[in-house]
Amino acid sequence: DAKTTQPNSMESNEEEPVHLPCNHSTISGTDYIHWYRQLPSQGPEYVIHGLTSNVNNRMASLAIAEDRKSSTLILHRATLRDAAVYYCILSDLPNTGNQFYFGTGTSLTVIP
Amino acid sequence: DTAVSQTPKYLVTQMGNDKSIKCEQNLGHDTMYWYKQDSKKFLKIMFSYNNKELIINETVPNRFSPKSPDKAHLNLHINSLELGDSAVYFCASSQGQLNFSPLHFGNGTRLTVT
Repeated sequence: DAKTTQPNSMESNEEEPVHLPCNHSTISGTDYIHWYRQLPSQGPEYVIHGLTSNVNNRMASLAIAEDRKSSTLILHRATLRDAAVYYCILSDLPNTGNQFYFGTGTSLTVIP
Repeated sequence: DTAVSQTPKYLVTQMGNDKSIKCEQNLGHDTMYWYKQDSKKFLKIMFSYNNKELIINETVPNRFSPKSPDKAHLNLHINSLELGDSAVYFCASSQGQLNFSPLHFGNGTRLTVT
């Protein structure tokens, strides 16, 4: 399985944008990039996913490098409720959950 | 309404006991999973069921036995509990194998084996 590398932790000030990086240099042509986050004492929740093009949804934006070897999750205005561990995961579709291997993720601290 | 619910939320038991964790989803999904999150926060898939049939079974001791009475339920039974089984267990569900469907997780069951 292609691996992802993320910083262990990041900090952001409240109401400022946050850019969470993910390196996946061994990504295959059919791998989708998924982002999940896990708030304290909760299960992970889906944030966004993409293949080649940048993606936007109500939660975040996903910027994918042209060579697809890296991606960045963008939270446009961090709130205290965004403090969580963010996981970047690669997986072929359609076998999504069967191939989900969560790494250590990035622990995001939001400073008031 | 809770989409994926697990019971109990906390489970404290002694070594050697047998225990079960229940999971129910009301999303109409046909695929359910069990994940284990250890003390280092690594989240690892254990089992995957599609339409009540086992699809994936990672290297999990056979003391762990999932049971799916119907598509909405996937229970996890653990025999002869060991200290190393202490972890948070998450149930999840998704729809189908052909199109993208995000995973929906429950809030976890924290198992402590003493």
